[in-house]
Amino acid sequence: GDSVTQMEGPVTLSEEAFLTINCTYTATGYPSLFWYVQYPGEGLQLLLKATKADDKGSNKGFEATYRKETTSFHLEKGSVQVSDSAVYFCALSLRFSGGYNKLIFGAGTRLAVHP
Amino acid sequence: EAQVTQNPRYLITVTGKKLTVTCSQNMNHEYMSWYRQDPGLGLRQIYYSMNVEVTDKGDVPEGYKVSRKEKRNFPLILESPSPNQTSLYFCASSSVSGGNIQYFGAGTRLSVL
Repeated sequence: GDSVTQMEGPVTLSEEAFLTINCTYTATGYPSLFWYVQYPGEGLQLLLKATKADDKGSNKGFEATYRKETTSFHLEKGSVQVSDSAVYFCALSLRFSGGYNKLIFGAGTRLAVHP
Repeated sequence: EAQVTQNPRYLITVTGKKLTVTCSQNMNHEYMSWYRQDPGLGLRQIYYSMNVEVTDKGDVPEGYKVSRKEKRNFPLILESPSPNQTSLYFCASSSVSGGNIQYFGAGTRLSVL
């Protein structure tokens, strides 16, 4: 079935370090791919998305490229800040009849950035 | 301000005592969903609704009910809560023309004793 696999956390980094969070997916068809972020005590919010192969999503210094050949959508940031500490979820979107798009989430990866 | 509002944010209850978690969105979105978040499992969909009076089961619907009598509201009902329903719950909404983006509420942390 359709699924998303993320690297396990927690990921602990010092400020200004380089971040990679791995995400791979299994899906029939051609899903859209997303990264959502959950800050402490808050709901999820969209960080970035990509809708087709080789698209690159970017936002707030984060980037991810939709790689169809490796079924991956790894999240990267060149220099993390303490304020980036959060849980990051990779997700894919499946289109249902009637136009509804269902999200399937990975387990989430907790990132802790220390000064 | 565009938002999805859930209430309550925190709830402690006992086994078997019926409860309702409310969800309201002010963006005129057609689609609404409920998820539960458990450690190591990510978010799993409980129920979703494609419009008023149109609801369907998600991946983990057992023990839950929903209704969609108005476009803006999508309450989650636990008729007889059990301890295995202790979890963090999120409501989300999205639109037909919204590019697959879902907007989430702040969450409801439920403990069933």
